[in-house]
Amino acid sequence: EDKVVQSPLSLVVHEGDTVTLNCSYEVTNFRSLLWYKQEKKAPTFLFMLTSSGIEKKSGRLSSILDKKELFSILNITATQTGDSAVYLCAVDRHRGSQGNLIFGKGTKLSVKP
Amino acid sequence: KAGVTQTPRYLIKTRGQQVTLSCSPISGHRSVSWYQQTPGQGLQFLFEYFSETQRNKGNFPGRFSGRQFSNSRSEMNVSTLELGDSALYLCASSVIQGAGELFFGEGSRLTVL
Repeated sequence: EDKVVQSPLSLVVHEGDTVTLNCSYEVTNFRSLLWYKQEKKAPTFLFMLTSSGIEKKSGRLSSILDKKELFSILNITATQTGDSAVYLCAVDRHRGSQGNLIFGKGTKLSVKP
Repeated sequence: KAGVTQTPRYLIKTRGQQVTLSCSPISGHRSVSWYQQTPGQGLQFLFEYFSETQRNKGNFPGRFSGRQFSNSRSEMNVSTLELGDSALYLCASSVIQGAGELFFGEGSRLTVL
């Protein structure tokens, strides 16, 4: 059965810290891996990764995919209280597989002032 | 550009009742997906509609159904509600079918008593 596992489930850090969130997956017909940020209700898109070893960056956030070891990491440097959220990892599969995105259960990040 | 709009935002039902949730996608987006989010299971895929046709369906019982209209607006219906149906129901839209980058609405919070 296809699955996406995120770790840690929750994390508390102080402003200015650097954090690394992990996502491992076992899926058939892998197409891409995506990261979303969910602050209150609506998840918002962060990154989509399709190729191994190519880092995606957006400000203080960056992510990389390892398709050989089947995992991805999301790094946040110089964390701010506004980074507090649940970070969701999802895997998209090629057409023909049942279901659309498979989501992990998320990592809840709390950034203390 | 208006985002994805879901109505109602909150609702309370009793077991055995049925409920209909509505989703208006971003203008120009023709694909609408529905997800159920619970603390225990996380985000789980329900179904995806494109051009008024269901293109993909997740592992949910037949009590869960949906449809899409010619203006891309979508509704989902849950009949014979059970306590376990209490969840946040999220709608997401995308320009094309099967896109990984989804734009989520704020969700409809359903409580079944």
